[in-house]
Amino acid sequence: AQTVTQSQPEMSVQEAETVTLSCTYDTSESDYYLFWYKQPPSRQMILVIRQEAYKQQNATENRFSVNFQKAAKSFSLKISDSQLGDAAMYFCAYRSAGNSGSRLTFGEGTQLTVNP
Amino acid sequence: DGGITQSPKYLFRKEGQNVTLSCEQNLNHDAMYWYRQDPGQGLRLIYYSQIVNDFQKGDIAEGYSVSREKKESFPLTVTSAQKNPTAFYLCASRPQGGTPAVALHFGNGTRLTVT
Repeated sequence: AQTVTQSQPEMSVQEAETVTLSCTYDTSESDYYLFWYKQPPSRQMILVIRQEAYKQQNATENRFSVNFQKAAKSFSLKISDSQLGDAAMYFCAYRSAGNSGSRLTFGEGTQLTVNP
Repeated sequence: DGGITQSPKYLFRKEGQNVTLSCEQNLNHDAMYWYRQDPGQGLRLIYYSQIVNDFQKGDIAEGYSVSREKKESFPLTVTSAQKNPTAFYLCASRPQGGTPAVALHFGNGTRLTVT
């Protein structure tokens, strides 16, 4: 079974600065997908960014980018020019590309605080 | 606008009572999911359904039951057998025919408190 680990329960960043959230995963599969979700105080889960394992290029969405290291099974999220609205719980998630690919496995989450 | 509706937002029950959480979607998605969220444990999969009249157990199905009689609806019943039912419950959906890259759509959740 796949596992996802987020080793930072809490992180903080100053407004306008850059912060990196860590995520590692364990799998024996070669084809899979990785996601970062954001959960603000409203508790609505919002997709931030996704990465396909067979793509070597790191995904980027505006101020959000990932550092995907397949050999190291690492998938960190970098938030540039942090804004107050980025304060949220961030979850890393894994999905297999195989037959059980509809299941999403989540990490424990990292609570991000943005200081003005 | 299409979306997933979970109701109610807050639910209170006495220990020993069964309680059903509602999840309705108008996205025309085939697959639906129930996750439980506890502090420090992320989201854990309870049950999921990829098609009407069929569903599978997730990682923590004990003490829960579901039904999928309609494509739009996937209610979750928390039974008295669930030893620690107080938690935040999230319902999600996605198109079944989509690639694995397709993300889940989530509802706003229901906070269940059992005393």
